[in-house]
Amino acid sequence: GAVVSQHPSRVICKSGTSVKIECRSLDFQATTMFWYRQFPKKSLMLMATSNEGSKATYEQGVEKDKFLINHASLTLSTLTVTSAHPEDSSFYICSARGIRTPGTDTQYFGPGTRLTVL
Amino acid sequence: GQQLNQSPQSMFIQEGEDVSMNCTSSSIFNTWLWYKQDPGEGPVLLIALYKAGELTSNGRLTAQFGITRKDSFLNISASIPSDVGIYFCAGQLRSGGSNYKLTFGKGTLLTVNP
Repeated sequence: GAVVSQHPSRVICKSGTSVKIECRSLDFQATTMFWYRQFPKKSLMLMATSNEGSKATYEQGVEKDKFLINHASLTLSTLTVTSAHPEDSSFYICSARGIRTPGTDTQYFGPGTRLTVL
Repeated sequence: GQQLNQSPQSMFIQEGEDVSMNCTSSSIFNTWLWYKQDPGEGPVLLIALYKAGELTSNGRLTAQFGITRKDSFLNISASIPSDVGIYFCAGQLRSGGSNYKLTFGKGTLLTVNP
């Protein structure tokens, strides 16, 4: 199957600091990666879509200067939460779609990163 | 934007019972996906459906892609305690213009009593 990893799995930081979350496709090349945010007992909310080598496309209402996304290679995308505040605390999940993922155009999800901003 | 209505919102069943949940959309999709999410984990793909009318099984799970392309259902037969979790449906338009984005339902929380 297609494996997607995220690092770190859990991070606690002070308000005002920046946090970087990595998303890697381990056994396939991800042409597109997606970043989601999920609040407790809620569904996944798409934040942005990133295609390798180009700028990310952000969903309406998501601040691109707040949530910096870089998709520098076919196996790695990063999400940086800049100047984090307590309201940014959430569960962040990435997914990846590749040319040869099992099943046409299927997205495979990472295990998520729990961010807590104090 | 597109909206998915997923029902029921939650289910409490006894071990061994069958479960059915469904999703309906206001517009068509050309792919339907069903995911399961355990607490603190990312969603795991259960079944993917690519053609209207398609019926696909994965062990005790069966899902169908509605003929109208606006709905899908997931059945779980003979439930077991490890089936507990949140089940999400997701619709996708397979086109470059849509960037292959997924639209998710709000989830069905399944509790199985041993």
